[in-house]
Amino acid sequence: KAGVTQTPRYLIKTRGQQVTLSCSPISGHRSVSWYQQTPGQGLQFLFEYFSETQRNKGNFPGRFSGRQFSNSRSEMNVSTLELGDSALYLCASSWKGIDAEAFFGQGTRLTVV
Amino acid sequence: KNEVEQSPQNLTAQEGEFITINCSYSVGISALHWLQQHPGGGIVSLFMLSSGKKKHGRLIATINIQEKHSSLHITASHPRDSAVYICAVTNTDKLIFGTGTRLQVFP
Repeated sequence: KAGVTQTPRYLIKTRGQQVTLSCSPISGHRSVSWYQQTPGQGLQFLFEYFSETQRNKGNFPGRFSGRQFSNSRSEMNVSTLELGDSALYLCASSWKGIDAEAFFGQGTRLTVV
Repeated sequence: KNEVEQSPQNLTAQEGEFITINCSYSVGISALHWLQQHPGGGIVSLFMLSSGKKKHGRLIATINIQEKHSSLHITASHPRDSAVYICAVTNTDKLIFGTGTRLQVFP
């Protein structure tokens, strides 16, 4: 059974640009959640999607958005990038949601210059 | 004060030692997770608990709901256990993470 796949693994963007990250969950999992990890703030919950609907959301500005497709694949978009958005972005999938066992991808390391 | 506190922040051990990492939380939870993160970023979910105790190989996780406290124990530690261990709780509609415990096990 394939694991959670995140693409791309590494990304360098310029301030002001926008970026889209992709996450393909484990087959059969309908929940995809996204996290930001920085040295200063640690791991922080961004949002969770279940069956194409955003179900839960963390405390991030509206520049951070996402969506989920009918095949459960999810994308996360960050618009008007800031230097502080440089981070490791992780996604996780589960069959039920954020109170079920989660399987994490390897992450996308975003650097904003 | 953080809603999820872990201790210690850093831990070094000799191979074979028994290790305990603690997690305390101050919010209501529906589940508590123990995660392991190796250098390079990949995270593995070790346990998800809502009560009692779970064991997987050399790893044991316990939770005391009344005291709002969980422990992760590693028996017979090995250098491959070197990683960051993160405690996270599911609170209503979000996950809240501890700051992690960096464990180094030396041969």
